[in-house]
Amino acid sequence: AAGVIQSPRHLIKEKRETATLKCYPIPRHDTVYWYQQGPGQDPQFLISFYEKMQSDKGSIPDRFSAQQFSDYHSELNMSSLELGDSALYFCASSLRVELAGGQETQYFGPGTRLLVL
Amino acid sequence: QKEVEQNSGPLSVPEGAIASLNCTYSDRGSQSFFWYRQYSGKSPELIMFIYSNGDKEDGRFTAQLNKASQYVSLLIRDSQPSDSATYLCAVKRFGNEKLTFGTGTRLTIIP
Repeated sequence: AAGVIQSPRHLIKEKRETATLKCYPIPRHDTVYWYQQGPGQDPQFLISFYEKMQSDKGSIPDRFSAQQFSDYHSELNMSSLELGDSALYFCASSLRVELAGGQETQYFGPGTRLLVL
Repeated sequence: QKEVEQNSGPLSVPEGAIASLNCTYSDRGSQSFFWYRQYSGKSPELIMFIYSNGDKEDGRFTAQLNKASQYVSLLIRDSQPSDSATYLCAVKRFGNEKLTFGTGTRLTIIP
């Protein structure tokens, strides 16, 4: 079965540079989520999109922005990179089920490992 | 205090034995509960989800939920070396999109 695709898988940037991470959800999934996982930490929710609209927002820095496009893929744009941004960035996707009461299951992509030097 | 608490481990279990992983949560509005397995440097992989009080079994895995006690557990029967990983408990509140994760329990199956 097709899974979530993320690109690039690895990225090295200098401080103050910008980075763009891409996520292609599982076919027919309409909701995309972004998580950041630092070394030895649990994944922290950044932001999510449903049908191209922001649906929830977590601890995403103002330096970061994201959007979902008409083909449901999503991009996370990161500017003025800092050393502390070095982490694994996961995208997850799900299919919204009306009246499910939030029981949708999120499936994670392989992640993008970002290293800021 | 974190919203989702897990024993960080490491938890060592002999091969073939039962591994028991526990999770407590503080938000009574939590409605959906998930167990993910994560190998080092890899992405979280869904093991099970549970929404209703009681037990839910899937192969060698059993999830248990007690909303009154705000407690979720995962039992792994006939543990295999390939089960060695970090197990993340995640909860979702009704109306929210995000998953809130615990810090994970590192499980080692000893051959």
